Amino acid sequence: QGQLMESGGGVVQPGRSLRLSCTGSGFTFSNYAMHWVRQAPGKGLEWVAVISYDGSSQSFADSVKGRFTISRDNSENTLYLQMNNLRPEDTSVYYCAKEIGIVGGTNWFAPWGQGTLVTVSS
Amino acid sequence: QSVLTQPPSVSGAPGQRVIISCTGSSSNIGAGHDVHWYQQLPGTAPKVLIYSNKYRPSGVTDRFSASKSGTSASLAITGLQAEDEGDYYCQSYDSSLSGYVFGSGTTVTVL
Repeated sequence: QGQLMESGGGVVQPGRSLRLSCTGSGFTFSNYAMHWVRQAPGKGLEWVAVISYDGSSQSFADSVKGRFTISRDNSENTLYLQMNNLRPEDTSVYYCAKEIGIVGGTNWFAPWGQGTLVTVSS
Repeated sequence: QSVLTQPPSVSGAPGQRVIISCTGSSSNIGAGHDVHWYQQLPGTAPKVLIYSNKYRPSGVTDRFSASKSGTSASLAITGLQAEDEGDYYCQSYDSSLSGYVFGSGTTVTVL
């Protein structure tokens, strides 16, 4: 099912921007839709965004709509999450995940990357 | 506030059976969307445990089983082992939100 590796996390002040990257290997990256999922410290999982296999469509959770954008470079097997106007409540481990699905079913996520921590604090 | 509700914790002695519930609504599980289950062991990323309501990926032990009915789903762990300690999440899709949703998560403790 391949491997995913995120990078780009760090500490950032409220209102600033940060871009996360996720590199895929061991599978044909350009064939799959990709997602970002986050997990605040000690909390549960929250779906953030999805991008189609070719980048032509995206969808976002209401909590990040208008502030985050998702993109991909299939020639580099890389997924991105551009996070603007960051808020303290965006502090989380951000995971990228490959979408898996069957015809007529609901998609799920496998595999997941190891995650990258984003801390929004002054 | 998670769209899918799970009990915060369940526990059992080694060898026992525990069940984790996942309660949704008419816009997600009740709308016919599949339920998937993930296991997150301490300090690691989530891993799919059950997909499409009841199927186990290759390599997942048959001690894990799941079902779905109406607006709810459940995950059963039989023959509980110390290595099963961790967090478990259900996941589906919500038509009203037009997005994917996770359960609130359940911590499994082996006594």
